[in-house]
Amino acid sequence: EDKVVQSPLSLVVHEGDTVTLNCSYEVTNFRSLLWYKQEKKAPTFLFMLTSSGIEKKSGRLSSILDKKELFSILNITATQTGDSAVYLCSVTRSGNTPLVFGKGTRLSVIA
Amino acid sequence: DTAVSQTPKYLVTQMGNDKSIKCEQNLGHDTMYWYKQDSKKFLKIMFSYNNKELIINETVPNRFSPKSPDKAHLNLHINSLELGDSAVYFCASSQGSLQETQYFGPGTRLLVL
Repeated sequence: EDKVVQSPLSLVVHEGDTVTLNCSYEVTNFRSLLWYKQEKKAPTFLFMLTSSGIEKKSGRLSSILDKKELFSILNITATQTGDSAVYLCSVTRSGNTPLVFGKGTRLSVIA
Repeated sequence: DTAVSQTPKYLVTQMGNDKSIKCEQNLGHDTMYWYKQDSKKFLKIMFSYNNKELIINETVPNRFSPKSPDKAHLNLHINSLELGDSAVYFCASSQGSLQETQYFGPGTRLLVL
């Protein structure tokens, strides 16, 4: 059965800390891995990763994929209270098959 | 400009009623989706339409019926609402197939009493 597992499930850090969120997957016909940030409402897209070892960056956020070990990490440096959210990892597969989502990591950044 | 919009934002109704949620996207995308997010924040796909054609229909009770009048709209009709239908329903769209980056609407919070 295809699955996406995120860890930790929740995390509390202080402003300025650096955090690493993990996403491991076991899916057939893997195509890409996507990270989303969900605050109070809808998920917003962060990164799409298709190739191993190529880091994607956006400001204080960065992510990398390891297709051999079947995982991805999302790094957030110098965290701010506005980074508090649930971070969702999802995996797409070849063909007309739906995305598989992990259960998310709830990050709380306290001042 | 809102890229993916849903109406209503909140919906409170009695068990047994029939209700609809509407979704529209102005991104020119070909594919639209409905997701259900339960109280534990677990996001699960329900349906996907590509150019008005149903391409994904997950294990969802047949009380749920999506309708796509054109590729910019995907509405969700729910018959005989049950308590367990209470959740947040998200509409999303993407340019191409399921592999493309998806853009989500603001969600519709449904509460069945």
